[in-house]
Amino acid sequence: GAVVSQHPSWVICKSGTSVKIECRSLDFQATTMFWYRQFPKQSLMLMATSNEGSKATYEQGVEKDKFLINHASLTLSTLTVTSAHPEDSSFYICSARVRTGRYEQYFGPGTRLTVT
Amino acid sequence: QKEVEQDPGPLSVPEGAIVSLNCTYSNSAFQYFMWYRQYSRKGPELLMYTYSSGNKEDGRFTAQVDKSSKYISLFIRDSQPSDSATYLCAMSQGNQGGKLIFGQGTELSVKP
Repeated sequence: GAVVSQHPSWVICKSGTSVKIECRSLDFQATTMFWYRQFPKQSLMLMATSNEGSKATYEQGVEKDKFLINHASLTLSTLTVTSAHPEDSSFYICSARVRTGRYEQYFGPGTRLTVT
Repeated sequence: QKEVEQDPGPLSVPEGAIVSLNCTYSNSAFQYFMWYRQYSRKGPELLMYTYSSGNKEDGRFTAQVDKSSKYISLFIRDSQPSDSATYLCAMSQGNQGGKLIFGQGTELSVKP
């Protein structure tokens, strides 16, 4: 149980375009989802916390107008990278909490974004 | 000073060795402790989840938490080449919306 999927797993886009990444909880309802960014050989950097039906909470230094997060249902959250630039190239990973009172997160397989 | 410190390694051991991975932390409010395994270009996989101090065992893995020393460990017995990965410790206070604070990760290589 506690499976999280992400789509696409790999995407290349041109500078100035927007890219949407989907995160789904497959066998549970996730009231809270998280979006991370990871650079090579580095740990996970939390970008934002997403609660179903409410606005996402962004970490300091993360541009909310550039990284749009929508948690439309208990099984789906999306991250849209708007007007992407080469410096946005990274590995983006989502995670989900199974329920309140438990603090472990289950992670998706990640999406590798390359902006040319 | 980072809230969570973890030696990035790399750590190289022969197959069958006992591996010890550790993290120290500075925030005494952390109550929930996790270990994740991450293979290259994949998302992290939850290995162990513990609450407060004590030991927890699952197969070849044992997690230890010593809150008095602000120190957590993960032991891997009879290590296998398939255990080669980066191991991340993570912690939560149990509030702040469930935010996790991660260590830098230790890169482990188990040689056949």
